[in-house]
Amino acid sequence: GAGVSQSPRYKVAKRGQDVALRCDPISGHVSLFWYQQALGQGPEFLTYFQNEAQLDKSGLPSDRFFAERPEGSVSTLKIQRTQQEDSAVYLCASSLLGLGSYEQYFGPGTRLTVT
Amino acid sequence: DQQVKQNSPSLSVQEGRISILNCDYTNSMFDYFLWYKKYPAEGPTFLISISSIKDKNEDGRFTVFLNKSAKHLSLHIVPSQPGDSAVYFCAASNNAGNMLTFGGGTRLMVKP
Repeated sequence: GAGVSQSPRYKVAKRGQDVALRCDPISGHVSLFWYQQALGQGPEFLTYFQNEAQLDKSGLPSDRFFAERPEGSVSTLKIQRTQQEDSAVYLCASSLLGLGSYEQYFGPGTRLTVT
Repeated sequence: DQQVKQNSPSLSVQEGRISILNCDYTNSMFDYFLWYKKYPAEGPTFLISISSIKDKNEDGRFTVFLNKSAKHLSLHIVPSQPGDSAVYFCAASNNAGNMLTFGGGTRLMVKP
């Protein structure tokens, strides 16, 4: 498909485990964003890449959260030593870079449940 | 503090009638506003947007109105259809390519 894909779609982790969430953006999209969506709330910004450069990570809630995009395409969001408060849907979005490129296109998300 | 707010968590409308979803923002640096629609177990889908230099943008059944002085925008859906039933998120940005700041969403239910 031509859209943003994410894997896994669902992940259950025991408290203290490390998890890795993958995002495949739309081909040719330079910008990639990660958002966290808690139950009943809107998505909240975590971090932003332009190609392989991580330009903004101000939304990462703690140093247990780490994101990378080494070749400027696929991105991985890693959460170390998961806690119950990390339970949420993690959304990835991509967009073109250029004048007027405000629209972001979202993947289906990964629902993380920490038990 | 929430920079983008959707004060109505839910809205119920009869099929064929108008649906009006509202959104308020506090950050005067926002210059672009978007509406996303979300079905369960799917990611948000872009619906319609508006630049701060405009006060109205229309696309088929969907129209977004922006009142900059009131820091308020609204999404009108006419006529509403049962397939429009979803959660609608308002989002704002202060620069192309920047992060989006989302409201908490409004669940729209269109009854047949």
